[in-house]
Amino acid sequence: DTAVSQTPKYLVTQMGNDKSIKCEQNLGHDTMYWYKQDSKKFLKIMFSYNNKELIINETVPNRFSPKSPDKAHLNLHINSLELGDSAVYFCASSPTSTEAFFGQGTRLTVV
Amino acid sequence: GQNIDQPTEMTATEGAIVQINCTYQTSGFNGLFWYQQHAGEAPTFLSYNVLDGLEEKGRFSSFLSRSKGYSYLLLKELQMKDSASYLCAVSPFGGGDDKIIFGKGTRLHILP
Repeated sequence: DTAVSQTPKYLVTQMGNDKSIKCEQNLGHDTMYWYKQDSKKFLKIMFSYNNKELIINETVPNRFSPKSPDKAHLNLHINSLELGDSAVYFCASSPTSTEAFFGQGTRLTVV
Repeated sequence: GQNIDQPTEMTATEGAIVQINCTYQTSGFNGLFWYQQHAGEAPTFLSYNVLDGLEEKGRFSSFLSRSKGYSYLLLKELQMKDSASYLCAVSPFGGGDDKIIFGKGTRLHILP
């Protein structure tokens, strides 16, 4: 009964490829997020979706695009992967303005 | 702008008490969170403060002073498993504009 699940857990791919990371939450939360955690362990918000509407879009490259087919899913698509995209990506969900529940993270390595 | 500051690393001894401080400057305030993150794992929620004062939850307590833009996380009776990073995070807005901004985390090392 995992609350927030994301797949895959590990992803190794070559530069220039296009990849997707999936995220699903069964908590009934209205808001879902994607965070990027860099090598210094700094968590930076990338996107936030509330009821299928993008409400925050931080200054990330447009190679990154979130896709939300429904309230329970927020997938992250990345085009033309670059070395600097290597990081751990966390999906999270939250009821409005309270704690966020995180997925287990996807470690993306671009070679 | 938004800014959250906390020490990069701290060391404490098993059985002791440690206080991890966090200061923030945000354009609004709708609550402050503390998360624990073990290496290679997802952050897990510890506490949420929206009003001034101390919130106690077992061995962990969190304090907030909104006027000072200051919070601390207090860990008592430290155990080896408390070795982790502790992330201070702020929700600057309310009213449906939901966003949680994280500090860079404090890596806590527990010595036997």
